[in-house]
Amino acid sequence: EAGVAQSPRYKIIEKRQSVAFWCNPISGHATLYWYQQILGQGPKLLIQFQNNGVVDDSQLPKDRFSAERLKGVDSTLKIQPAKLEDSAVYLCASSPGGLNYGYTFGSGTRLTVV
Amino acid sequence: AQSVTQLDSQVPVFEEAPVELRCNYSSSVSVYLFWYVQYPNQGLQLLLKYLSGSTLVKGINGFEAEFNKSQTSFHLRKPSVHISDTAEYFCAVSDHQGAQKLVFGQGTRLTINP
Repeated sequence: EAGVAQSPRYKIIEKRQSVAFWCNPISGHATLYWYQQILGQGPKLLIQFQNNGVVDDSQLPKDRFSAERLKGVDSTLKIQPAKLEDSAVYLCASSPGGLNYGYTFGSGTRLTVV
Repeated sequence: AQSVTQLDSQVPVFEEAPVELRCNYSSSVSVYLFWYVQYPNQGLQLLLKYLSGSTLVKGINGFEAEFNKSQTSFHLRKPSVHISDTAEYFCAVSDHQGAQKLVFGQGTRLTINP
């Protein structure tokens, strides 16, 4: 089966600019996650979708980050305006259901804010 | 809330030597436990998981881990490592209920020397 697709792979922007990342999960996977991985740290959950509804966005900095999952399939994560500390790899993952099924991660988008 | 501590940020070993990567977790409820591997510029790949049952879990690439409830540990082991095992390894925990989101440790960089 095809994996989780993410684009772009790399992005460099100046602070205060906006940026968007795209994720296409594995077909049929109802649950979609966005994680932020800062260099030298483990991934941190930003937002979790179940179909097109938000399950958990408690760690999403809502003053600058937004995410949506239209029609319960693809998802976009946006940052506006970006700060230097947003430099990180943004990982998308999907799962068919609960954790007993496991997650499948995409390759990530590496964002550098200068 | 759950938390994970990976006790070693870096572990250098010689090829064909055994290795143990240590992971301790904290939770007030029953948990699921996972080990993921991340190769350079790639997403995370599931090595193994403990959901229930036998406390010794076998995963891919010859890795295994043992769940120790009394010591709240889930250490990862491999009896003989290869150069190709060089990567970042992440331990993760989730509770059984609710959103079942994964909480990751900081990661352990395993470096295999010839």
